[in-house]
Parts: sequence; structure tokens; C-alpha cells
Amino acid sequence: KQEVTQIPAALSVPEGENLVLNCSFTDSAIYNLQWFRQDPGKGLTSLLLIQSSQREQTSGRLNASLDKSSGRSTLYIAASQPGDSATYLCAVNSGSARQLTFGSGTQLTVLP
Amino acid sequence: NAGVTQTPKFQVLKTGQSMTLQCAQDMNHEYMSWYRQDPGMGLRLIHYSVGAGITDQGEVPNGYNVSRSTTEDFPLRLLSAAPSQTSVYFCATRRQGPGANVLTFGAGSRLTVL
Repeated sequence: KQEVTQIPAALSVPEGENLVLNCSFTDSAIYNLQWFRQDPGKGLTSLLLIQSSQREQTSGRLNASLDKSSGRSTLYIAASQPGDSATYLCAVNSGSARQLTFGSGTQLTVLP
Repeated sequence: NAGVTQTPKFQVLKTGQSMTLQCAQDMNHEYMSWYRQDPGMGLRLIHYSVGAGITDQGEVPNGYNVSRSTTEDFPLRLLSAAPSQTSVYFCATRRQGPGANVLTFGAGSRLTVL
């Protein structure tokens, strides 16, 4: 059974800092990995999707990397802003049913 | 362009009551699913459907029923609510088949069972 872990559970940084969020998974036989953002009381918004054949994906100040062999992904946020404050979740698409398994998220606070 | 619409946004039930959470999408996505989100546990898949007339169980299906009579709608039914079903419920959809398969989520339905 796939298990996804995100550490730390919470992170607080000053504005302007570059930061890295971590995601690890137990079964490396994945189809893809997605990073989501969730604002309080809202649904999830997809940020980046990395296919299993890719090493990284970039969107603006966000860069996600994938190392399947070690079961790890990172989400790099450059020049953080208070508007980046949210919970970030990673989800791994794997298994015969191609379902997503979610981590429990990292709650990020960017202080002005 | 509404995307994924969930109703109601909030609901309070008493133990043993029944209710239906509604999910509607206008993107012609074949795949629809229901997740529940509990503190510290991430999102867990309840039921999913890959097309009209086809449904299957996810990780935590007990206590929930679903049906998929149309492409657009995927209701989630609680036949006899229990306090353990207090949670935030999300409907999510995507295109089916190989490719990017990015999930689109609704805004969520917060359910409290007393």
C-alpha cells in the first residue's frame, strides 16, 4: 500500500526567503506526482504535475522535482510572499487503479 | 464556467439521519470521485466513478453509497450518519485515460454529525 509523508507538518518563514517542502513515498512504481495548494476553508488547487518519466516541472516561482528511485519529491518556492501562505499537499498516482494517495500536508506561513 | 460544484457547503446532522452530498461538473470529465479530509490524515478516497453507470470503492467506502446516472452528477449518500463521518468532503474530477490526469476539486462540504 502506498504511503505518502510530508515533513515538516508546519513551517514559518520570513518574506523573501527561498524554501523547500518535502514529500516522500514508499512505492516507487508511480505514474505521476502532483503538488496542490489548499487555502483555509477552500478546495485544492493543482500547482504542478510531474510524470514518472520527468525529473522536474516549473511554474513561475515554483519548481517541483522528482526522484523516483529514492521515493522523494521537493517543492521549491523562490522569493516567498505572504500570499504563498497555505497548506501544500503532495499526492502520488500509483497502483492498478491509478488512484491518488495524499500526504497530510505542510502548513506554510510566510511572515511579512 | 462553474467547474465542480458541491452542495451544501455546510450541514449538521444527528446520528442516524440520512443525507446526500451533491457534486456536479460541467467539464465533461469521465472520472469523478469523493474524498474526505480529516485533521492530520490528508485526503482519503471514498468512492470513484470512471463513467456513467460505473462506480467503485476507494480506501474508506463503509457507510457511504454512490451512483452515477449521468456524466455530470455524482452524489454521495450517507444512509445512517455516525459521528465518525464528521469531516470535510471533497468531490474531484478529471479526464479519464493516459495523460496528465490533473484533478479538479470542488470547494468542499463540511459535515458535522452530532
